[in-house]
Formats: sequence, C-alpha cells, structure tokens
Amino acid sequence: QVQLLQSAAEVKKPGASVKVSCKASGYTFTGYHIHWVRQAPGEGLEWMGWINPKSGGTMLAQKFEDRVTMTTDASTSTVYMELSRLTFDDTAVYYCARDPGQIVVLLGSMDVWGQGTTVTVSS
Amino acid sequence: DIQMTQSPSTLSASVGDRVTITCRASQSINNWLAWYQQKPEKAPNLLIYKASTLRSGVPSRFSGSGSGTEFTLTISSLQPDDFATYYCQQYDTYPWTFGQGTRVEIK
Repeated sequence: QVQLLQSAAEVKKPGASVKVSCKASGYTFTGYHIHWVRQAPGEGLEWMGWINPKSGGTMLAQKFEDRVTMTTDASTSTVYMELSRLTFDDTAVYYCARDPGQIVVLLGSMDVWGQGTTVTVSS
Repeated sequence: DIQMTQSPSTLSASVGDRVTITCRASQSINNWLAWYQQKPEKAPNLLIYKASTLRSGVPSRFSGSGSGTEFTLTISSLQPDDFATYYCQQYDTYPWTFGQGTRVEIK
C-alpha cells in the first residue's frame, strides 16, 4: 500500500544540524510532491515546504529558507529534510506528507503522511 | 501570512451529537481549504479538500462547506472514533498555514 516511512528519532545539541529521511513505497515516487510539516509538543501544525521528487525543485516557507534543505534520491525513493543551526524551538515531530496532485499539478492538501520523526534539541 | 482561526478551541459533545467547527481566514483563500483529523501520537488524516470535497473512504457524516474566508466542518452524528483534534489548512497563498486546532472531547 502507499506508505511513507520516516527515520528514527534524533537528539541534537543547539547549533547542530539534523537530517530526516522519508522513504516512499507503493506508488510512483516521482509522480507526487512531498511536503514537510512539523508539530512542536502540544502545539499545532506548521508547514515547512515541499519538494518535487522528479525535478528536485523546492518551495520553502520564508522562515525556513536559510536553514532548511530538501533533497531527493530517486534511486531509493527517498526524500530528505535537513534543518541546520538548531535551537530549542526546533524540538518537534517532523512529518513528511504526500500531495495528492499529479506532479504537474500541485494541489496543496496532504493525503498520505509518514509516521513522524521526533527531533529533540537538548544541551 | 494568512492567519487561520478556528473556533471553538475545545468542544465537548456526546455520541450522536451534530458538531460544527468554524475556520476563518484573514483573507480570501478561494476555497483552497483542507480539513484534517489528528489523534494523539498519530499523524494527521485528510478528511476534506477544496473546502467541501470528501476524500474517498471518509465517512459521509463528515462534510465541509464555506467560501472566501469562512468555512465549516460538520460531523452530522458524532461517533466514538471521532473524538480527536481537527485542523483546517489553507493552500491558497504561501506559506500555507493551519488553524490552531479544535479538540473534540467527550461530554
């Protein structure tokens, strides 16, 4: 079935970087955009950006433009999200999620979600 | 950024009740609105997109309506599995933004 499987939880120190992976299965990897969304403890959802797995093109929320890099590896059907210069405020669950539109038509909703990756920033 | 404001923040209801959650956008979002259900320690689940289109497989007791800046999610007869937190999301203008969530709890 269609599935997104994310990497394991991470604990990082302030100032470090973290790279979270999201492996797709059950569908054509290059056929759909992937979004990244995060959720701080007890808080709501925050959209970070998307990546086009076919072209590698990205769109990032302005607040993350200087700290987030999204990449793709079609050979393993995996997308990556790297967040640099971590602060305590980056402690959150990070989700990848599939856009249901075909690759040439980004819809904006998110129909398949990964299980989430907990990133804890602690000194 | 477009602000999405949900009301109420918490809603207490009983099984069988009709429940309505409102989501207001700070500017028109042209019906580019989705609703999600999230249960504790789980990823969100898409219920409705384009304001009123029910995702395949979602029970018909869920419905969405509205246009412009005001939208509603209605659960016609609340079921035990529906106790959860609900989020709206606009995808009209970057950055896409979510409401703060509405927690539906057992009365």
